[in-house]
Amino acid sequence: NAGVTQTPKFQVLKTGQSMTLQCAQDMNHEYMSWYRQDPGMGLRLIHYSVGAGITDQGEVPNGYNVSRSTTEDFPLRLLSAAPSQTSVYFCASSSLNTIYFGEGSWLTVV
Amino acid sequence: DAKTTQPPSMDCAEGRAANLPCNHSTISGNEYVYWYRQIHSQGPQYIIHGLKNNETNEMASLIITEDRKSSTLILPHATLRDTAVYYCIARNYGGSQGNLIFGKGTKLSVKP
Repeated sequence: NAGVTQTPKFQVLKTGQSMTLQCAQDMNHEYMSWYRQDPGMGLRLIHYSVGAGITDQGEVPNGYNVSRSTTEDFPLRLLSAAPSQTSVYFCASSSLNTIYFGEGSWLTVV
Repeated sequence: DAKTTQPPSMDCAEGRAANLPCNHSTISGNEYVYWYRQIHSQGPQYIIHGLKNNETNEMASLIITEDRKSSTLILPHATLRDTAVYYCIARNYGGSQGNLIFGKGTKLSVKP
């Protein structure tokens, strides 16, 4: 998966803790997004951004915040983690016709 | 974006062609058909996309029916490494700035 880097790859959180999933891309794409994938399910859109300073909600935004201060970075923040947020998180950036995904971040909330 | 329907699973013998069907009967005129695959919980990988003409690249071929209500992804010589979940998605070209609506896809198992 060219050019989209996510960190950390694995994280365990306690309920109520906060954390930030980092995402960076080096392809100068305006569009970036965050998806989550639960076991046996397809990906669901959390938040997306069409450019620096612009963000919007996707299908499942509750419990997550995002910001886009630069074209390259699009962090996802969990302000107060809940067990329901245990999932695999994928960051993506998009050219006009192709979306590139990161390798995923496995998050467990206990 | 139009809803797509795919079989939940398929098997294919190694070296044979894998033909993965997708129904998108409500697709609109400006929606493209995209195919992605996800190998063992890695990030989804782009395969191919098309509007109404058949398309071919180094990974696969895409056959779209004339009425555009269905399509077939063809992996001409499947290998064990092609075992993955394949997603068929209909979306506007550049529309929604890249949002994809994923279903459950087809789990393709390539067997020796």
